[in-house]
Amino acid sequence: EDQVTQSPEALRLQEGESSSLNCSYTVSGLRGLFWYRQDPGKGPEFLFTLYSAGEEKEKERLKATLTKKESFLHITAPKPEDSATYLCAVQIHNQGGKLIFGQGTELSVKP
Amino acid sequence: GAGVSQTPSNKVTEKGKYVELRCDPISGHTALYWYRQSLGQGPEFLIYFQGTGAADDSGLPNDRFFAVRPEGSVSTLKIQRTERGDSAVYLCASSLGSGPSTDTQYFGPGTRLTVL
Repeated sequence: EDQVTQSPEALRLQEGESSSLNCSYTVSGLRGLFWYRQDPGKGPEFLFTLYSAGEEKEKERLKATLTKKESFLHITAPKPEDSATYLCAVQIHNQGGKLIFGQGTELSVKP
Repeated sequence: GAGVSQTPSNKVTEKGKYVELRCDPISGHTALYWYRQSLGQGPEFLIYFQGTGAADDSGLPNDRFFAVRPEGSVSTLKIQRTERGDSAVYLCASSLGSGPSTDTQYFGPGTRLTVL
């Protein structure tokens, strides 16, 4: 069965304290892996798409990486405004465009 | 430009009633998706439209749920005989297409459905 697992469920950081969020996946054939940010009461906001192992993408303090089994979202010197839930999702070959999401990592960055 | 919009933002209904949730996708996006998100969980796929047709409805939980997209733009998710377990945030997303580099899904703010 296709499955996406994110860890940790919650992460508390001090401002400036770098860390990483993990997304492990077990799927029949990965077509793409997506990272989203979700603020309370809002819809997910697109961050990155990764398509092949070894690929990396960066945006401000965030960097996403992909291997054949997992993806990491690295947060460098986070700020309080980075506090949100980060969602990982996968698309599977021959299953159209539907996304299979993990349960998310709730990140809190304290000043 | 305008993003995905959903109406209403909140809907409170009684058990057994019928509800309709509306989604306006980004102009020009041919693919439209519905997801359901329970508290503390990631979104769960319900149905996907490519144009006017439902390309994949494998996520609809039972036959009380139905969705349409008659003109290939606006979509309506319809829930009959609502149950308390249907309470969740219903999210809509659209993408330019469904192939690589066009398949990024952009989400609306969601409709929070509460069934009393």
